[in-house]
Amino acid sequence: GENVEQHPSTLSVQEGDSAVIKCTYSDSASNYFPWYKQELGKRPQLIIDIRSNVGEKKDQRIAVTLNKTAKHFSLHITETQPEDSAVYFCAASMNQGGKLIFGQGTELSVKP
Amino acid sequence: DTGVSQDPRHKITKRGQNVTFRCDPISEHNRLYWYRQTLGQGPEFLTYFQNEAQLEKSRLLSDRFSAERPKGSFSTLEIQRTEQGDSAMYLCASSLYRSYNSPLHFGNGTRLTVT
Repeated sequence: GENVEQHPSTLSVQEGDSAVIKCTYSDSASNYFPWYKQELGKRPQLIIDIRSNVGEKKDQRIAVTLNKTAKHFSLHITETQPEDSAVYFCAASMNQGGKLIFGQGTELSVKP
Repeated sequence: DTGVSQDPRHKITKRGQNVTFRCDPISEHNRLYWYRQTLGQGPEFLTYFQNEAQLEKSRLLSDRFSAERPKGSFSTLEIQRTEQGDSAMYLCASSLYRSYNSPLHFGNGTRLTVT
């Protein structure tokens, strides 16, 4: 079955710097890759997603890139702000399955 | 709020007791998922439904776990003979699936503590 590895497990940056979180997946049939942000004690919330027919997607300060050949995808946050501090999860799924397989999470800390 | 709702928010039970959780998805969503999350880990897939049909159940899921979605709307997750290792946050999510994936929307979860 699908396996998703996420790195790093913790990331600390200064406010205004960029943050990059990387994930790799094992099943080449996976074609949908969302990213979720989870604040302490709250539900995971979708922040951006990408499908396998696209190499990059951007939404304001957040961007995701996908390399299907290498089977990895990354989240890029620019001009980080303290409110970006949270745990971020990547995930992957196949069209037929629909279920998401999550990475282990990255705890991002943005220091003012 | 028309998001995914879960009940109860917290449940404390003694080992060996049975517990049942409820999830109400977003009304027009045809898929409903159950996940389990422990501290410091990503959500772990348990099972999912399309309408009332249970399409997949994780091989890691014990026979003590059962889920239903009898009318294709709300769902229940029952854990029989609870064990301390069952302590976790149980998350429900829903999505509107057509011929392609659409985002999963999560509820706030039910936190289970087994003493």
